Amino acid sequence: QVQLVESGGGLVKPGGSLRLSCAASGFTFSDYDMSWIRQAPGKGLEWVSYISTTGRTIYYADSVKGRFTISRDNAQNSVYLQMSSLRAEDTAVYYCARITVGGQYNWFDPWGQGTLVTVSS
Amino acid sequence: DIQMTQAPSSLSASVGDRVTITCRASQTIGSYLNWYQQKPGKAPKLLIYVASSLQSGVPSRFSGSGSGTDFTLTISSLQPEDFATYYCQQSYSTPRTFGQGTNVEIK
Repeated sequence: QVQLVESGGGLVKPGGSLRLSCAASGFTFSDYDMSWIRQAPGKGLEWVSYISTTGRTIYYADSVKGRFTISRDNAQNSVYLQMSSLRAEDTAVYYCARITVGGQYNWFDPWGQGTLVTVSS
Repeated sequence: DIQMTQAPSSLSASVGDRVTITCRASQTIGSYLNWYQQKPGKAPKLLIYVASSLQSGVPSRFSGSGSGTDFTLTISSLQPEDFATYYCQQSYSTPRTFGQGTNVEIK
């Protein structure tokens, strides 16, 4: 079955770095664009970043631009989020999601189970 | 950025009730609107895509409608497993944005 499994979350001090991974299985990973979406404790969903199938097209939310880097390895069926200069407001559960396309439309499905990043001294 | 506004932010309802959640976009987005359900401690799950298309495996009591700026998610007869938070999301432009969520609670 289609599955996304995130890893790499944890406790990090402000200004520190962390690398999240998302391992995909059950589908042809290289055929799909991917995104990271986060959710601060008790808050709503915030889109963070997007990467195209080849990695040539990348977008970031303004809140993370210049600090986070998305990448993918199609041979390893994985997408990554390198996070640096972390701030308290980056504390959140980070989800990776596959972008499913239908014609000119698209949506996030499925989502991984999430990995918690806590930025605190 | 396109702002998505849901109403209400929370509601209390009983099993069997008909529930309606609205989502308004700050500019026209055609049918580029998706709905997700999230239960506590779990990842969001896709319910409706392209405003009104039911995701495979989602019960038919869920339906979506609307286009342009105004959209609706309806649960025709609320079941115990439907108590959750619901989010709308626009896929018209980047950055993708979500509504703030509607928490459906047991009355």
